[in-house]
Amino acid sequence: IAGITQAPTSQILAAGRRMTLRCTQDMRHNAMYWYRQDLGLGLRLIHYSNTAGTTGKGEVPDGYSVSRANTDDFPLTLASAVPSQTSVYFCASSGTSGGAGVFFGPGTRLTVL
Amino acid sequence: QQQVKQSPQSLIVQKGGISIINCAYENTAFDYFPWYQQFPGKGPALLIAIRPDVSEKKEGRFTISFNKSAKQFSLHIMDSQPGDSATYFCAASMNTGFQKLVFGTGTRLLVSP
Repeated sequence: IAGITQAPTSQILAAGRRMTLRCTQDMRHNAMYWYRQDLGLGLRLIHYSNTAGTTGKGEVPDGYSVSRANTDDFPLTLASAVPSQTSVYFCASSGTSGGAGVFFGPGTRLTVL
Repeated sequence: QQQVKQSPQSLIVQKGGISIINCAYENTAFDYFPWYQQFPGKGPALLIAIRPDVSEKKEGRFTISFNKSAKQFSLHIMDSQPGDSATYFCAASMNTGFQKLVFGTGTRLLVSP
């Protein structure tokens, strides 16, 4: 089934720990994104990649890093988690032709204590 | 700053009624305006989208109205059904080949039976 998978589904993490959220898509989309969703703030872009080998910073990149070694995978790493990073994280992807929609994964619920 | 402002924050509509959600944007470089529907515990799903060269787009019971001069767009859900109860997000992006979406803060819609 074509789509985006994210792992883990949820995680409770102690502050200061390192955590990598995984994202894989099988739609051969060139562009991939990481958003965080917080109540009352909507979804905010953390990092993006418009093609394998390149990444860029979004609206709220501090404390997060990404890599894009291939087309399908786009992991998000929290080097030293802080409680303010408690959120629901969504990976998304899109084609690069004009008007291509952005499609979202099921999300990872992360709690940092 | 909130580049896309969405209202209302919550909305209750009777079954069969019309649900209307409004969004306003600031950046005149935006040229792609999608709406997303999100059910609890799920990722946002693309519902319908419009470009500024048209003033209205309809897909089934869902219609986007777009007012370029006012920098506003709205989602109308005709004959609202209990199954439409969800959170709706408007968004905007520049069509640079890939899409860094800027989201509104969301509207929680409840359709009463």
